[in-house]
Amino acid sequence: QSVLTQPPSASGTPGQRVTISCSGSSSNIGSNPVNWYQQLPGTAPKLLIYSNNQRPSGVPDRFSGSKSGTSASLAISGLQSEDEADYYCAAWDDSLNGHVFGSGTTVTVL
Amino acid sequence: EAQLLESGGGLVQPGGSLRLSCAASGFTFSSYAMSWVRQAPGKGLEWVSVIRGTGGSTYYADSVKGRFTISRDNSKNTLYLQMNSLRAEDTAVYYCAKVYYDTSGYFGYWGQGTLVTVSS
Repeated sequence: QSVLTQPPSASGTPGQRVTISCSGSSSNIGSNPVNWYQQLPGTAPKLLIYSNNQRPSGVPDRFSGSKSGTSASLAISGLQSEDEADYYCAAWDDSLNGHVFGSGTTVTVL
Repeated sequence: EAQLLESGGGLVQPGGSLRLSCAASGFTFSSYAMSWVRQAPGKGLEWVSVIRGTGGSTYYADSVKGRFTISRDNSKNTLYLQMNSLRAEDTAVYYCAKVYYDTSGYFGYWGQGTLVTVSS
């Protein structure tokens, strides 16, 4: 069972906006930045969002992140077929003294 | 640009040992914390361990504490994971990752992974 809770799946049609939630606690999301990773089928994970809402160079601006209290969310605006992937949230946990991941959300483009 | 290349995976019997390596290039290796993250077949990501750039501080997931040891050789730009007392549940693809902002930061670059299979 993952420390961070994500919905197992999300879907939308091309062009729609999809939002993925990530729920944690005061020892992880509540006190540390949240990061998001994208894993395309058959490939290694890739950094998508860091420090709650920062996009690395090369990540399209249709991806955005936010955090409030002990929860965070990832939004994909203008959904595209190439966005079909697994998405994971992650944060450092001060109680566990380690990184924790969400269980992952599979995004499907209908 | 950073490049990370894992090696050392393979088939090992329960109770056996294996050492993974991650060769780094394209950045000043000693300036960054490094981490191992694994993914069991068909499952999600699980953090395993992280080590500071100097090698002075290490942290482990409870699931591997006492069995796995992370280390690094900054003269060789290489990260290691010594895995002992392996169990079936350790079967996974093991990724090494470059960590930004010290040991508690984010995984900025990932290798392609190496598969470890624990089975008799």
